[in-house]
Amino acid sequence: EAQVTQNPRYLITVTGKKLTVTCSQNMNHEYMSWYRQDPGLGLRQIYYSMNVEVTDKGDVPEGYKVSRKEKRNFPLILESPSPNQTSLYFCASSSSPIPDEQYFGPGTRLTVT
Amino acid sequence: GQNIDQPTEMTATEGAIVQINCTYQTSGFNGLFWYQQHAGEAPTFLSYNVLDGLEEKGRFSSFLSRSKGYSYLLLKELQMKDSASYLCAVRFNTDKLIFGTGTRLQVFP
Repeated sequence: EAQVTQNPRYLITVTGKKLTVTCSQNMNHEYMSWYRQDPGLGLRQIYYSMNVEVTDKGDVPEGYKVSRKEKRNFPLILESPSPNQTSLYFCASSSSPIPDEQYFGPGTRLTVT
Repeated sequence: GQNIDQPTEMTATEGAIVQINCTYQTSGFNGLFWYQQHAGEAPTFLSYNVLDGLEEKGRFSSFLSRSKGYSYLLLKELQMKDSASYLCAVRFNTDKLIFGTGTRLQVFP
């Protein structure tokens, strides 16, 4: 089944404790992206990648890191999480190297206390 | 900036037709998407417009006017399951995708 998977789905952590949210797609897609979704603010892009080893900042990259060592994986790293990073995170992918019809993962709800 | 504007909430009756508008700044425009998002779920793709005109897909249609920076999503024969948020997203240049804050549609019997 073609899909985008994210892990974990739910995470409660404390300020400053490094964490990684994994994202994997099995559709051989070129473009992958991370978004956060907050009430009243909609989906905002954190980072995106147009191909392996090519990543770029979205609108809200501060406090996040990403890597794209393999085509299928695009992990999101929070080196020192803070409470303002409490949010719902979505990973997405599309077949072309530019943002096209995107397939979204199920989301990761992160709470930082 | 690259603001995307859409109404926050709309209500409609089962069986009716509803139109959800989206306006955007035209500089750098390179395509417009509509997504549906049910509460607690991931967004799912509905439609894509890059040229002016109407794209029809079953009960859903999407219209684009590039010169006016305007799009709408038309939902016909509304069903209860259409209660969801509808997200307008615009691709600027080739690599930047900006989402609007979404329109929450409630369908009543």
